[in-house]
Amino acid sequence: SAVISQKPSRDICQRGTSLTIQCQVDSQVTMMFWYRQQPGQSLTLIATANQGSEATYESGFVIDKFPISRPNLTFSTLTVSNMSPEDSSIYLCSVASRLADYEQYFGPGTRLTVT
Amino acid sequence: AQKITQTQPGMFVQEKEAVTLDCTYDTSDPSYGLFWYKQPSSGEMIFLIYQGSYDQQNATEGRYSLNFQKARKSANLVISASQLGDSAMYFCAMRELNAGGTSYGKLTFGQGTILTVHP
Repeated sequence: SAVISQKPSRDICQRGTSLTIQCQVDSQVTMMFWYRQQPGQSLTLIATANQGSEATYESGFVIDKFPISRPNLTFSTLTVSNMSPEDSSIYLCSVASRLADYEQYFGPGTRLTVT
Repeated sequence: AQKITQTQPGMFVQEKEAVTLDCTYDTSDPSYGLFWYKQPSSGEMIFLIYQGSYDQQNATEGRYSLNFQKARKSANLVISASQLGDSAMYFCAMRELNAGGTSYGKLTFGQGTILTVHP
């Protein structure tokens, strides 16, 4: 299974500022995803991070608010821009493999609190 | 569109007993995968078990087994011999395996079930 790390693990930020979350995988993966989990809620997909091209965003999420980079097959970043308290969530990076349908793993998450 | 339903917001079980967490799903894709994850209070998502729609046998992983009833579109998780460390949130999720392009690998989650194991 892939080993995924995220930085930072948690942060407390002021409203109006931005935070960049890093996701590092120990092997090359085709598919990387960013999910958001608001307090007491389930996980919602923000976007699919595509290597070498623009990220694909889900309905309700826009690039200006959640810009994503995917410079190579082992690394991605998600930026939460112009934050408000409603952005307080756990943000999780996930990877999937085309070689095995069951391979779908998550990073440890970044717990963000916006004050 | 896919949908996952977990109807049990919370479940309680005595230590060493078995517990079943319910999950029903809806999809138009004949080829799909079903996942169960455990989320402790730390927030990480721990993969527990996977069932493919064409798998003939129910999946098992240690104390975890998946009761897959395709005609009923249900994929219940059974945890045997519960331990105190099993107390956590449990999510059922689905992925459509025929989804191509940028839809490949996208998971749809249920609302989760909080499991509390009593000593």
